[in-house]
This record gives sequence, structure tokens and C-alpha cells, in this order.
Amino acid sequence: DTGVSQDPRHKITKRGQNVTFRCDPISEHNRLYWYRQTLGQGPEFLTYFQNEAQLEKSRLLSDRFSAERPKGSFSTLEIQRTEQGDSAMYLCASSRGLAGADTQYFGPGTRLTVL
Amino acid sequence: TQLLEQSPQFLSIQEGENLTVYCNSSSVFSSLQWYRQEPGEGPVLLVTVVTGGEVKKLKRLTFQFGDARKDSSLHITAAQPGDTGLYLCAGDRDSNYQLIWGAGTKLIIKP
Repeated sequence: DTGVSQDPRHKITKRGQNVTFRCDPISEHNRLYWYRQTLGQGPEFLTYFQNEAQLEKSRLLSDRFSAERPKGSFSTLEIQRTEQGDSAMYLCASSRGLAGADTQYFGPGTRLTVL
Repeated sequence: TQLLEQSPQFLSIQEGENLTVYCNSSSVFSSLQWYRQEPGEGPVLLVTVVTGGEVKKLKRLTFQFGDARKDSSLHITAAQPGDTGLYLCAGDRDSNYQLIWGAGTKLIIKP
């Protein structure tokens, strides 16, 4: 079990550019989540997948954000026309999808800095 | 509105002291999880509590879930510099995929 991995760990980009992040969940986990976290705050939910289906999107996820999980395994999060306010840590988590006590396991995150 | 209130928001103490941090809500949770996060890393799960009144121990860390499953506490005995980090609680509601997160308690243990 290699845990949840994310790539890249750090991304610096200029305002207006597009960026894409990748998340590889724990292999037997069918749920995958994306969060955004700013300094000193808890994670804010963005979206989640049950296998390949994207079942919920937060109001935080503007039209510039899109997430995919094409084969129910890895996922990508793309941000188009980045803005300085997009600077944050983007966290991915996965879980088995158990009712009642479904533990989410987090990756190390991708730190995005928009200049 | 923060559905899970964590207190204190910040705590700085000397090595060897004891401390307790709290996670409170007016809502009932089917389970509650505690995570520790270090700068630049993702949260790492410490424990999941499921039953009202449950107490779990992890070395010097003691976690308790309230009888009504609305609140939880984390007690650290003889804190060490390695305990430094952001402690987050997150609650799971029945039939809901989404964890409800507290804003965290930033803990600094000074040598």
C-alpha cells in the first residue's frame, strides 16, 4: 500500500495560465476527494468521485475548475485562467466508501502559487 | 458558520506540559476523526472514534468522543516538540459523503 500520491508537489504559475494536478488514490478505494486548504485553515471540500462518477461539486468550484476520474482510478484537477486567489494547497484524499465510518486518507498535497 | 468549532485556535506550551484541545458541535456525527498536519504536508489520520463515550489512546494521546456524539477532545500528556503541528477534527454524518471539518488547533511545543 503506497498511500495517496499527488503530482506535482509544488507549482508556481503566472496569472492567466492553466494548471493540472494529478492524484493517484489508494488502489482499492472507490471514493476520491479534492479539497483546497489555505494557511491555518481546515480543508475546504471541492468535489468527490464515486468510481468514475463525479457526484458532488462545491460552490467553491467555479467554472474555471474541472475534475475528472476517467477510469475510476487516478484523477486530475485542472484550473483554467488561474487567479492569485487560487493560490492554496490542493489536497486529494481517497476512501473505501463505507457507511458510518468512512476514513479518508490524504495525499501530501500540491502547493499552488499564482504570481 | 463553522459546524465544528475547535478550541483553542492556537496553543504554545513548554515541553513536558499536558494539554487538551476540543472539537465541539451542535450536530450529531456518526464518527469523528482526528488528523495531524505538518507544514507543507497533507493531514495524517490519528484516530477515528465511532461510539458515544469512546476513549482511544495512542501512546501519549488520548481521544474521547462525547456521549452524545457531538463533541470530542484530544489530550496530550507530557507534550514533546514532535507533537507540534495543526490538529484537525472532522465529523462524518450518516448518509453523507462529506466530512465536516474544524479550522484546526495550531500546537507548538517549545523545547
